[in-house]
Amino acid sequence: NAGVTQTPKFQVLKTGQSMTLQCAQDMNHEYMSWYRQDPGMGLRLIHYSVGAGITDQGEVPNGYNVSRSTTEDFPLRLLSAAPSQTSVYFCASSYGQENSPLHFGNGTRLTVT
Amino acid sequence: GNSVTQMEGPVTLSEEAFLTINCTYTATGYPSLFWYVQYPGEGLQLLLKATKADDKGSNKGFEATYRKETTSFHLEKGSVQVSDSAVYFCALRGTTDKLIFGTGTRLQVFP
Repeated sequence: NAGVTQTPKFQVLKTGQSMTLQCAQDMNHEYMSWYRQDPGMGLRLIHYSVGAGITDQGEVPNGYNVSRSTTEDFPLRLLSAAPSQTSVYFCASSYGQENSPLHFGNGTRLTVT
Repeated sequence: GNSVTQMEGPVTLSEEAFLTINCTYTATGYPSLFWYVQYPGEGLQLLLKATKADDKGSNKGFEATYRKETTSFHLEKGSVQVSDSAVYFCALRGTTDKLIFGTGTRLQVFP
């Protein structure tokens, strides 16, 4: 029962470095999304996808890229990390219907120095 | 656009006290409403949901009723335990597929 798997759990980057946060789900969910969680801000949607080959922007997309080449995987790319991107990142997936709850991964804690 | 407003925390209670965490929303149409819980160091877990007006979601002694007339979805529990200490998030999901969260309310329960 893997559910939603995120890697890595922790990452430290220097300003300007790039990296990819991985997310995979084994529930055949059409919908996948990335959130960032910051103190006092709740969870803010970065990007989401309603199916393979389709992605769209959320509330805070700047500085992040995504792609959805398969149903299972939804990686999040930071092209040039900035200290403002220090946060905890969560990947989540669900069936496509609006009454379907999201299933969350355990998060990636990213620090940019 | 859609939005969710939660009461600010932390909420501090003694064990066996009654809990209410307020949540109100703004949305077009008829969204589904959710409460999620986050324990320290973990991701969010679905606690309960309601998909239409007057529905009551319940789980683990927690309840919330979808009130369209007051656009509210307040979380309640009759007798909290220390193990209920966590951060609680109210959320809505409308026809755009996006799940919109409130800022979260930290609950601390002391023995």
